[in-house]
Amino acid sequence: DTAVSQTPKYLVTQMGNDKSIKCEQNLGHDTMYWYKQDSKKFLKIMFSYNNKELIINETVPNRFSPKSPDKAHLNLHINSLELGDSAVYFCASSTPRGSTDTQYFGPGTRLTVL
Amino acid sequence: DQQVKQNSPSLSVQEGRISILNCDYTNSMFDYFLWYKKYPAEGPTFLISISSIKDKNEDGRFTVFLNKSAKHLSLHIVPSQPGDSAVYFCAAYGTDSWGKLQFGAGTQVVVTP
Repeated sequence: DTAVSQTPKYLVTQMGNDKSIKCEQNLGHDTMYWYKQDSKKFLKIMFSYNNKELIINETVPNRFSPKSPDKAHLNLHINSLELGDSAVYFCASSTPRGSTDTQYFGPGTRLTVL
Repeated sequence: DQQVKQNSPSLSVQEGRISILNCDYTNSMFDYFLWYKKYPAEGPTFLISISSIKDKNEDGRFTVFLNKSAKHLSLHIVPSQPGDSAVYFCAAYGTDSWGKLQFGAGTQVVVTP
């Protein structure tokens, strides 16, 4: 009954590889997000989709490409992985944008690039 | 540039006492503030929130206070329990920002018996 789930939980890969992280929410939310938590523990937003439409795209390298096949899923594909991509990536979802737009987070995916 | 700041990286408090976590922000366009709690190897869990039209919101042992003129908010946990030991993140956004949450760096709370 997990509200926001991510797979995989851990991902270890070599530099230069391409990898994907999947996210699914069963809360019926319209908006989904990807956040990155770096080594300094700051959580920073990367992307946001509302009803499969990209609405937030922060300054993220083009190697990162989100894809939303439907409003319950938001996947993150990363090309040509670099050492600096090592971080914990969190997916989140929320109700339609409004004054009580509380975001609910998944458990995170720890990506380690060797 | 960090728009949400939590200047205390850690806080140790005795069980049963009050925990007070502080958060400052710089962006006057923020109008919704949230506190999240995070255990190791888990995602942040929503704890409590407050709209800028209020100065206090209470939910059980948790109370959030907002001082807009000082651009400051605080989270009070009374009484503190061992299960409250976690990292607490302050977050904020403006309703015209499409839910773009800005997070503080977090405060590690340790509740000792």
